[in-house]
Amino acid sequence: DAGVTQSPTHLIKTRGQHVTLRCSPISGHKSVSWYQQVLGQGPQFIFQYYEKEERGRGNFPDRFSARQFPNYSSELNVNALLLGDSALYLCASSLEGFLNEKLFFGSGTQLSVL
Amino acid sequence: AQKITQTQPGMFVQEKEAVTLDCTYDTSDPSYGLFWYKQPSSGEMIFLIYQGSYDQQNATEGRYSLNFQKARKSANLVISASQLGDSAMYFCAMREGDRTDKLIFGTGTRLQVFP
Repeated sequence: DAGVTQSPTHLIKTRGQHVTLRCSPISGHKSVSWYQQVLGQGPQFIFQYYEKEERGRGNFPDRFSARQFPNYSSELNVNALLLGDSALYLCASSLEGFLNEKLFFGSGTQLSVL
Repeated sequence: AQKITQTQPGMFVQEKEAVTLDCTYDTSDPSYGLFWYKQPSSGEMIFLIYQGSYDQQNATEGRYSLNFQKARKSANLVISASQLGDSAMYFCAMREGDRTDKLIFGTGTRLQVFP
């Protein structure tokens, strides 16, 4: 079975532009979450979606938004890009987000903002 | 506030030896889960092992085991018989509460395995 897949793997944008990152969860997983990992740090939680509804939001500005589709895939959108948005963006999925469930990550999208 | 602390920025271990990576956590919620992930230079966050707060026994997954000491709020990862391919960043993380995939991550430990 395929794991969590993310696209694109790498992306270069300039300040002020908009970017869309995509994620397909493991088959059967209904919960998708997004994380930002700045170089040298641990990942920071951005959003969680479950059954197309937002279940959680981290401390990120409104320039960050996301949505989940009926097939449980998800998009992360970032508007008005800043240099500080340069990071590895990781998507993760779980069955339903219950306490004893494992959470699996994709390989990430490396975003560089110039 | 929820917090994960990894006090070892870097660790060295010889091939075939065992190594322990430290993790302490802080939470006031009685229901939580603890994860360890491996992140090689490629960037992928690879799931290694999980321990729930109500689990009575320490979790094991192949060469990985978790030394869970609830009273001390520690969840150390033990890697037995280290391999060269184990060289990577290792992150400890905590899920606090049910029906959430929000994990709090530590700062990570870079493990280097030498021949």
